[in-house]
Amino acid sequence: AQSVAQPEDQVNVAEGNPLTVKCTYSVSGNPYLFWYVQYPNRGLQFLLKYITGDNLVKGSYGFEAEFNKSQTSFHLKKPSALVSDSALYFCAVRDPNTGGFKTIFGAGTRLFVKA
Amino acid sequence: EAGVAQSPRYKIIEKRQSVAFWCNPISGHATLYWYQQILGQGPKLLIQFQNNGVVDDSQLPKDRFSAERLKGVDSTLKIQPAKLEDSAVYLCASSATFLAGGDFETQYFGPGTRLLVL
Repeated sequence: AQSVAQPEDQVNVAEGNPLTVKCTYSVSGNPYLFWYVQYPNRGLQFLLKYITGDNLVKGSYGFEAEFNKSQTSFHLKKPSALVSDSALYFCAVRDPNTGGFKTIFGAGTRLFVKA
Repeated sequence: EAGVAQSPRYKIIEKRQSVAFWCNPISGHATLYWYQQILGQGPKLLIQFQNNGVVDDSQLPKDRFSAERLKGVDSTLKIQPAKLEDSAVYLCASSATFLAGGDFETQYFGPGTRLLVL
């Protein structure tokens, strides 16, 4: 069955340090991969996506993500964390094997950046 | 460019009552999605429209939930009757279509409607 796993409920990092939020998926073929961020009482905001091409993709607010096909992972990274990065992060996969490119979200990882 | 609009932002009802949510997608976006996000979980797709046709409603509890997009633009999601477990945030999203070219993969979300069923 198709699934997305975010193994960490929460990630804590000090401001200025690098951060990584992990995501692995189980979808056959070549799925489309996304990261979204959610701030309190707001909808999801798109950060970045991988469709094809270079395994390292860059997105908004200095975030980047690395696609690893052999490990079926798409980890979100940032070289230097900011307190304002504290939010809830969701990994999502769109399955191109379904007619509507069905979207599956992970359970989310709360990022806490300490000043 | 205006984003995805949703109303109301908050709703409190008692169980067995009915409720409706409204969504207006980004102009020109033919694909519209409704998601249910229960506290502590990721969004779950309830229904996906392509224009006014349903693409996927496999996870929609059809005995109590219904959705329509009659003119292919805005959409309404209804719950009747509501249960306690329906308490969640209901998110609407939209995306461009594959045939339109450009960025059809990315979904853009509205602020959501927070529903509390007592």
